[in-house]
This record gives sequence, structure tokens and C-alpha cells, in this order.
Amino acid sequence: GAGVSQSPSNKVTEKGKDVELRCDPISGHTALYWYRQSLGQGLEFLIYFQGNSAPDKSGLPSDRFSAERTGGSVSTLTIQRTQQEDSAVYLCASSLAGGSSYEQYFGPGTRLTVT
Amino acid sequence: ILNVEQSPQSLHVQEGDSTNFTCSFPSSNFYALHWYRWETAKSPEALFVMTLNGDEKKKGRISATLNTKEGYSYLYIKGSQPEDSATYLCAFSGGYNKLIFGAGTRLAVHP
Repeated sequence: GAGVSQSPSNKVTEKGKDVELRCDPISGHTALYWYRQSLGQGLEFLIYFQGNSAPDKSGLPSDRFSAERTGGSVSTLTIQRTQQEDSAVYLCASSLAGGSSYEQYFGPGTRLTVT
Repeated sequence: ILNVEQSPQSLHVQEGDSTNFTCSFPSSNFYALHWYRWETAKSPEALFVMTLNGDEKKKGRISATLNTKEGYSYLYIKGSQPEDSATYLCAFSGGYNKLIFGAGTRLAVHP
């Protein structure tokens, strides 16, 4: 079956511009996560959606970052006024249900480069 | 601040060698421990999710053990093959929904 998909796969943007990253989770998965990996760093949690519950935004690094999940499926991560330190690989993952006892299925990521 | 440490940072072995690496995590408020394999240019792939102290999981030549009381997990690869070359990530959950990932162990298996 179809896995998690993300678009675009690569994005180069100028400092100060806004970007939108998209994630299509596996159909039927109720939980969706966004992570990022900056150069030389481990995967860093950004935000978590579970069903209709309020998202856990505790990992968002600044108020320039926001995310939404429409209709319990597709999610968009928006970064406003991008900075060079936002350059990273942004990964989306989904799991069958919420709770960390479920394995997460990752998308291929979006490589964001801010020049 | 919750810290997940993985060692070694990188490892080079010859084809056929067996190897193991370590994930250390907080021993309090344990909920789950995940292992993922991340090959270059691919998505991270789940290997194991472990939730009980003493858990041992096995998938082919790869196995993992869990000690929640002392806060560590070992991942073992028996008879390494070049296709095992990847970064192996562990991730800890302390009862919340988010996972705290370690920086990974980068394994290179040479023919």
C-alpha cells in the first residue's frame, strides 16, 4: 500500500521567504508527527496531531513555525520568514493510533535549504 | 532535559562480523523504546518497539534487548551484510506521545 508521502522533496528558498511543506500520511493512520534533522543533529520532534485532539506543539522552535492538519489527513508545515538555521531535512511520520507504543512510518522528507 | 545517548557514533565492520550498539535513556517514566534503521536516501524504517523491561525482539539477523531499570537497550546484528549499512536510531518515550531520538549509530559494513 501507499506509504507516507511528502512534497516537495527539495526546496531552496531565500532568507525571509515563507515556505509550506506537505505531508500525506498513510490512509487510516490517526496520528501524524513532524520532525526535523539539522546537519549533525538527531531527529528533533516538532509537532504531533492525533485525531481531533488539540495538537502537541511543544517542539516548535519559534512562532514562525506552524502546522495544520485538514480533515484528519493531509498536514502542512509552514515556516514564515525563513532563516538560515531553518535549513534541515523535515520528516513527517504517521502511526495507526496515538501513543508511543505504535511504530511510526516515515516519509522520505523534504530537504529545505535557506540561502 | 531528557537525553538519549547512542554509542558508538560510527562503526566499521567487515562482512560476516557480528556487532552491537547501545542506546541509553532516562530510567524514570519509561513508556516505550523504538529502534529505526535509516538508509541513505530512504525513509527511516521501524525495526522494533519495546515497552516491557526484559523485552527481547528479533527480526532476521537483528535483535534487541531492553533494560528499563538501568536505562539501556542493545541492538545486535549477527553476520553483518553490506546491506545492513545504515544509521540506526533509537528513540525514547517517557509517557508522552513524542519520541526523543538519539543521534544514531552509523554502521558501515565492508565486503
